[in-house]
Amino acid sequence: GNSVTQMEGPVTLSEEAFLTINCTYTATGYPSLFWYVQYPGEGLQLLLKATKADDKGSNKGFEATYRKETTSFHLEKGSVQVSDSAVYFCALGNSGNTPLVFGKGTRLSVIA
Amino acid sequence: GAGVSQSPSNKVTEKGKDVELRCDPISGHTALYWYRQSLGQGLEFLIYFQGNSAPDKSGLPSDRFSAERTGGSVSTLTIQRTQQEDSAVYLCASSSKRGGADTQYFGPGTRLTVL
Repeated sequence: GNSVTQMEGPVTLSEEAFLTINCTYTATGYPSLFWYVQYPGEGLQLLLKATKADDKGSNKGFEATYRKETTSFHLEKGSVQVSDSAVYFCALGNSGNTPLVFGKGTRLSVIA
Repeated sequence: GAGVSQSPSNKVTEKGKDVELRCDPISGHTALYWYRQSLGQGLEFLIYFQGNSAPDKSGLPSDRFSAERTGGSVSTLTIQRTQQEDSAVYLCASSSKRGGADTQYFGPGTRLTVL
């Protein structure tokens, strides 16, 4: 079955540091891949997505590239801010609006 | 526009009582999903409605859990004879039907505490 594995946190970085959160997946067919973010006290929000191999999703300075050859969708940001402190979830979805399969989440804390 | 709303935002109940959690999806969204977020467990799919089709109940953890969706819009998740292990944040999401996996929009969740 489908599954998502993402690096365990927590991750603590200083402001302006480079961020990578690893995400790999196992899936049948050609899934779409997502990163969702959950800020403290708030609900899940879509951060970015990619629907096919080699697509790059980007938003708010974050990027992730859909790599079919390595079954990965790593999240990166060149310079994190304190306001990026949140829990980040990698997720996978197949076509036809089926339920998403989520990783366990990675908590990021950015300190000034 | 209005997003997905859920009520109540917090629910504290005693073990053995029944609870009902409500979800109002984004208007026009045909698909509606319930997930559960437990500490240390990540997000777990519970049940999914797509239009008028029979719901996919494959994620429900026991027969104490059920859900319905009336008129293709509002959904209610019911947990009967609650147990302490049911304590979690229950999230609802909705999406529109298109080709490919469309974005799911999440509500703020209902935090359920079973004493």
